[in-house]
Parts: sequence; structure tokens; C-alpha cells
Amino acid sequence: AQSVSQHNHHVILSEAASLELGCNYSYGGTVNLFWYVQYPGQHLQLLLKYFSGDPLVKGIKGFEAEFIKSKFSFNLRKPSVQWSDTAEYFCAVNAHYSGAGSYQLTFGKGTKLSVIP
Amino acid sequence: KAGVTQTPRYLIKTRGQQVTLSCSPISGHRSVSWYQQTPGQGLQFLFEYFSETQRNKGNFPGRFSGRQFSNSRSEMNVSTLELGDSALYLCASSLEKSGTSLYNEQFFGPGTRLTVL
Repeated sequence: AQSVSQHNHHVILSEAASLELGCNYSYGGTVNLFWYVQYPGQHLQLLLKYFSGDPLVKGIKGFEAEFIKSKFSFNLRKPSVQWSDTAEYFCAVNAHYSGAGSYQLTFGKGTKLSVIP
Repeated sequence: KAGVTQTPRYLIKTRGQQVTLSCSPISGHRSVSWYQQTPGQGLQFLFEYFSETQRNKGNFPGRFSGRQFSNSRSEMNVSTLELGDSALYLCASSLEKSGTSLYNEQFFGPGTRLTVL
């Protein structure tokens, strides 16, 4: 079955540390990739997306992600985290599964990031 | 533009009852998807509607159903509630520009927190 794996359940960093959150997916067809963020008490919101072209995509708030097709990975990075980045981060893959009527967004289980001031 | 709205925001029901949740998408968005979010399972896809038709369905029992109206507003219904149905139910809408849902970017509402006692 198609799946999205996020390697870390909970990451704790000090402010100014660098961040890398792993995401791997299992699907061989055409996909689009997303990272969403859920700040405490807020809606899920889009951080960045990859459709095609340059595999290094930049999003909001200084986040970026790199798509490596050969590794089925879409890792999220930020050079220097801030306390306000404390949130839960979700990787998601939009893919067309067999028998489905449309593309479907499948989420990883999320990574909680705690940034210590 | 107003975002995705969901009503009610909180709901407490008892086992065996049924519940209806409502979602109003962003104006102009015709695709509406529903997700169940729990701490253990993360975000799981329930179903997607487009132009009043269910286009895609996740792996949930038949107690979970939905519909979409001509104004794109959507409702989901859960009958014979079980304790395990306690979750945050999220609705997301998309503007489908290119005739395919591959490029859909989903905008999420705040969710309805359902507690089943």
C-alpha cells in the first residue's frame, strides 16, 4: 500500500539550530509533494509544495525542501529555527491510487518540533 | 476571501448517536475533502467531493458518509457513533484549475472536535 513515512516523531532543538525533517513515500507514479504545518491551536497551513522543475523548493518562513526522486524523499530544512517554529509538521503526497476517482492526499503521521529558547 | 469554515467547532455525543458536521469551502472552490485526525493515526482521508459527486473514498466503514450541495458546501455524517470516532474532523477545499486534481492545493478549516462518550 502507498504510504508516507516521517522518520521522527518528536524533535527538540535549541533556537538557531538547523533543522532537517525526513519524509519518504512509496509510490511509483506521478506525485506532487507538500509540507504542511500546524501551529498550536491553529489550522493546518501550507508551508511549501513541489509540482515539477527545480527539486529545491522554498516556502514560507525560511523553510525549504528538496525532492530526490531516486530516493522517494522530500526532506524539509531550515538553517536556523526560532521558538515560533514550534509546531507539528506534516509531509503529504498527492497521488492517484488504483481504483480511485481522483488524486488523493496522503499524510505522514507528523513530526512535533519543539524549539527551546 | 474568507477561509474554510466548519461548524460546529466542538461536539459531544454518546455512543450510538449520529452526528452531522458541516463545511463551507472557500468561495469558488468546488473540491471538498474530509479527514479524520487522531493522535495515534494522524490524518486519514475520508472522502472527496467535486461538483456534488463523491470522487474518492478512504478506507472507513459505511457509517461515515457525506454529501456536497450545489453551492459546494459539504456535510459529513457519522451514524452509530463509537468511542473510537472521537477525533478532530478536518475539511479542506481546493480550486481545481486544470481539470485534474493532481495540482490541487488544499486549504484547511479549523476542524470540528468530536468527543464520543
